[in-house]
Amino acid sequence: GESVGLHLPTLSVQEGDNSIINCAYSNSASDYFIWYKQESGKGPQFIIDIRSNMDKRQGQRVTVLLNKTVKHLSLQIAATQPGDSAVYFCAEIGRGSQGNLIFGKGTKLSVKP
Amino acid sequence: DTGVSQDPRHKITKRGQNVTFRCDPISEHNRLYWYRQTLGQGPEFLTYFQNEAQLEKSRLLSDRFSAERPKGSFSTLEIQRTEQGDSAMYLCASSLGAHEQYFGPGTRLTVT
Repeated sequence: GESVGLHLPTLSVQEGDNSIINCAYSNSASDYFIWYKQESGKGPQFIIDIRSNMDKRQGQRVTVLLNKTVKHLSLQIAATQPGDSAVYFCAEIGRGSQGNLIFGKGTKLSVKP
Repeated sequence: DTGVSQDPRHKITKRGQNVTFRCDPISEHNRLYWYRQTLGQGPEFLTYFQNEAQLEKSRLLSDRFSAERPKGSFSTLEIQRTEQGDSAMYLCASSLGAHEQYFGPGTRLTVT
């Protein structure tokens, strides 16, 4: 079965609000996680990553939180903009693996103007 | 360098035909990955190269699929005797080291 999953398949937010996209993973041996954004007809775009020895990492308007106790990952987008509308995937790399990513099914974020 | 590129972007073929896709990674990246993505799903790993060596293959990669990276730069993915179930987006990604994989735009294959 899938090692990585998502709590919500769709998320609709108002422009300017903050968005939170959640992800649950089942492999406690995973030590690296990435969030990708995928727009229609395009390849996944790297957003932010986090290693298992961290619990928070911030980028430009995005923050990733990792809770290893409950095996939960979240992506927070501040001041969501229409250009943020896309499908968001979390992905993991297991410790000791060759680096192949295991993806979940994705959450579709829709931003209402 | 403008990132990972893939060619063609779209391919329509008849069942039973062979197809070949090309991926050009980011120039300094030593690792190259192929993934397949079907509608509404996340990408699924197919195979991975470090330089010219193919180090891992998924069980999804049947005998009809073959991938090469002859000089450790670009890679090709060939599908022989295509089937309708092969219709998908084929994504290539590259990285320097084990992390931060950057994806290309993908090749969308439609088998009729």
